Amino acid sequence: AQSVTQLGSHVSVSEGALVLLRCNYSSSVPPYLFWYVQYPNQGLQLLLKYTTGATLVKGINGFEAEFKKSETSFHLTKPSAHMSDAAEYFCAVSDRELTGGGNKLTFGTGTQLKVEL
Amino acid sequence: ETGVTQSPTHLIKTRGQQVTLRCSSQSGHNTVSWYQQALGQGPQFIFQYYREEENGRGNFPPRFSGLQFPNYSSELNVNALELDDSALYLCASSLTSGTRKTAYGYTFGSGTRLTVV
Repeated sequence: AQSVTQLGSHVSVSEGALVLLRCNYSSSVPPYLFWYVQYPNQGLQLLLKYTTGATLVKGINGFEAEFKKSETSFHLTKPSAHMSDAAEYFCAVSDRELTGGGNKLTFGTGTQLKVEL
Repeated sequence: ETGVTQSPTHLIKTRGQQVTLRCSSQSGHNTVSWYQQALGQGPQFIFQYYREEENGRGNFPPRFSGLQFPNYSSELNVNALELDDSALYLCASSLTSGTRKTAYGYTFGSGTRLTVV
């Protein structure tokens, strides 16, 4: 079974500071990894994803994440936080293939990012 | 390229009633998944449909059922609504391709907010 652990349910940073949201995963097969952002009362927007190839993945809005297999991690970073980054962020893992159980996304519990002036 | 659209956006139902939520998949996607997101939680996998058949189910009772149509649109039906069914219901479409049924993309709709009173 796959699982995702997001360390820190709430993270607060100053505007212009580095954003680091942590995600560790567990998977018995090579995973797909995702970061989604959710603004209040809205659905999920894909920030970035790792499927194959380069382990440093760049996404929208200046975010990036690095897949580290040895650490089973996929931490999300942004060099300089902006007020508009305040939202909830979800890390998710999925199988690569449509197995009998479906290639569902397994989400972490989310990290609420607060950006302060 | 169209995205994933869900209807309705908001819905209020009485305990014991039945509800049908609808999802139109992104163009070119042949797989649809449904997720339940309770307040303050990460999305939980309900089930997935591929080629009009259920292909994987999470820990949800049989009163949660679904359909996928030939045009890859989908419905989520919930019978005998309970107060705990109040949540944001998210639909996600993806493309399953190749002999190994490799999954590509996961695009989410904006969700249907269901309130059971």
